[in-house]
Amino acid sequence: GAVVSQHPSWVICKSGTSVKIECRSLDFQATTMFWYRQFPKQSLMLMATSNEGSKATYEQGVEKDKFLINHASLTLSTLTVTSAHPEDSSFYICSAISLAGAGGVPYEQYFGPGTRLTVT
Amino acid sequence: GQNIDQPTEMTATEGAIVQINCTYQTSGFNGLFWYQQHAGEAPTFLSYNVLDGLEEKGRFSSFLSRSKGYSYLLLKELQMKDSASYLCAVRDGRNTGFQKLVFGTGTRLLVSP
Repeated sequence: GAVVSQHPSWVICKSGTSVKIECRSLDFQATTMFWYRQFPKQSLMLMATSNEGSKATYEQGVEKDKFLINHASLTLSTLTVTSAHPEDSSFYICSAISLAGAGGVPYEQYFGPGTRLTVT
Repeated sequence: GQNIDQPTEMTATEGAIVQINCTYQTSGFNGLFWYQQHAGEAPTFLSYNVLDGLEEKGRFSSFLSRSKGYSYLLLKELQMKDSASYLCAVRDGRNTGFQKLVFGTGTRLLVSP
């Protein structure tokens, strides 16, 4: 149980275009989802916290107008990178907290498989 | 502020034991996690400590000292497949309902034959 999927797993887009990444909790409801970005050989950096039915909370330095987050249901959050540029190329990972604490660890985060974005 | 430090890289031999240290300074503390991450993949959960002491799980053990802001992950009987990055993450928990994780820099472990 507690599986999180992401789609697409990889995407290549041209500079100036927008790309949407989906994060789904497949077998549990997630009131809170997180979006991370990871550059090569670096650790995960939290971009924003997404709560179902409310506006996302962005970390300092993350442009909310560039990285649009929508959490319309308890099983789906989307991240849209608008007007993408080569410096946005990165590995984007989402995670979700199980409402019921399925894993035995309170508020454990379950990670999706990640989306590799390349902007040319 | 938040500051979590780990060694950048470590090497070890198959069958050996390796200890990966993590020191942290955070404004709030509500548990420490260790994750394993292979290149190009998502992190996978290894262990969770919220109280001082040692948690053992098969070949992996994790230790926490809250007063020292210190944790370590111990890997025994190393296998080649253990070559990966190991991420230490502290859960903030100050803001009830958010439960943010702050990740350390990660330690790349290379296991050689």
